[in-house]
Amino acid sequence: GQNIDQPTEMTATEGAIVQINCTYQTSGFNGLFWYQQHAGEAPTFLSYNVLDGLEEKGRFSSFLSRSKGYSYLLLKELQMKDSASYLCAVRDGNYQLIWGAGTKLIIKP
Amino acid sequence: GAVVSQHPSWVICKSGTSVKIECRSLDFQATTMFWYRQFPKQSLMLMATSNEGSKATYEQGVEKDKFLINHASLTLSTLTVTSAHPEDSSFYICSARDFRGMGNQPQHFGDGTRLSIL
Repeated sequence: GQNIDQPTEMTATEGAIVQINCTYQTSGFNGLFWYQQHAGEAPTFLSYNVLDGLEEKGRFSSFLSRSKGYSYLLLKELQMKDSASYLCAVRDGNYQLIWGAGTKLIIKP
Repeated sequence: GAVVSQHPSWVICKSGTSVKIECRSLDFQATTMFWYRQFPKQSLMLMATSNEGSKATYEQGVEKDKFLINHASLTLSTLTVTSAHPEDSSFYICSARDFRGMGNQPQHFGDGTRLSIL
């Protein structure tokens, strides 16, 4: 079966750096996505990786290793507004989006 | 950028009522739309996938007679929760994929509908 794993919850300090990991096992691979979701709101797109390596976008970076079935989302200079759930999603061989359960990130002052 | 409009954003109604939620793609043609449900503190759960002009494909455990989906045009899909009960109270989110959805942003999300059944 297809599976995406990410930690349920993480806590970090304002101004610090946090890395949220995601491992996946899917039938085929056509890209990995990270979304941010604040409580009571719809997800918003953060990043996309289809090739191995690091994609940097401001304070957020996303890394992919296809051979390891692994990705991480790196958040730098954490702000209180970064408190949210972060969803990892993989587009499989049929171009269907498989969602992880999400990681709730709690930022403390 | 691509925008998906979902309406209404909040519904409170009595048990037994049927509720219709609309999802519109505003600046692109959505060949495929997705309906998700999310209970508090849980992740997105895909309910069904609808393709314009054809019947929706429902995920296992989702009652198609209870959650009616219509995707009659390339810009509009509707989800009707029939005879809603308190256990149907949830956050319903639609998303749309256009014909370019093979690229780096596969789905565009609506803002969601919070459904509360009394």
